[in-house]
Amino acid sequence: EIVLIQSPESQSVTPKERVTITCRASQSIGTSLHWYQQKPNQSPKLLIKYASQSISGVPSRFSGSGSGTAFTLTINGLEAEDAATYFCHQSSGLPRTFGLGTKVEIK
Amino acid sequence: VQLQESGPGLVKPSQTLSLTCTVSNDPISDGIYYWTWLRHRPGKGLEWIGYISFRGTPYYNPALKSRVTISIDTSKSQFFLNVTSVTAADTAIYYCAREPGTLDSWGQGALVTVST
Repeated sequence: EIVLIQSPESQSVTPKERVTITCRASQSIGTSLHWYQQKPNQSPKLLIKYASQSISGVPSRFSGSGSGTAFTLTINGLEAEDAATYFCHQSSGLPRTFGLGTKVEIK
Repeated sequence: VQLQESGPGLVKPSQTLSLTCTVSNDPISDGIYYWTWLRHRPGKGLEWIGYISFRGTPYYNPALKSRVTISIDTSKSQFFLNVTSVTAADTAIYYCAREPGTLDSWGQGALVTVST
């Protein structure tokens, strides 16, 4: 099974700051890495697919990069509505696996 | 597309957990998708339970394989999850989702508690 190590576990950030979340895979997964946002009492929402591809309707301040084993989600100019848990997910192999999540709080 | 989970919110230990996911506004028989079950247990990360194609071919997480069955009824636009011999460790929010590589559509989630 492919293990995804996500960091940090949590982050407290001032609005307009940049947020960087990393996800490291236990083996190379190409670009089969996706990012999701989950707010309390809601189901997860797809933010970035295949490491860096944007999703229609998702604000442009969200971007992704990386390939192989190292990936990054960046939020450029955090807004209050971005308070949520973010997690990564790989679709390179079975079973599908997820990072444990990064909780982003607003200072 | 919309997905909606349904089923009992309370299951007794040792019994079988059964959930249904109803898919609307998109043909479940579209061959490019896998219809997926996941769960989020308290204090744990998301766990992928397994998925099924419209042809009915399932794949299960090896960690749960001995207790899980996923099936599909394309005529009703529904797919199903059964988990046998449940314990308190199976208490979770269960999600159904659509996967064309990514998980691009999710149900709202169904809380299932295993308790006497």
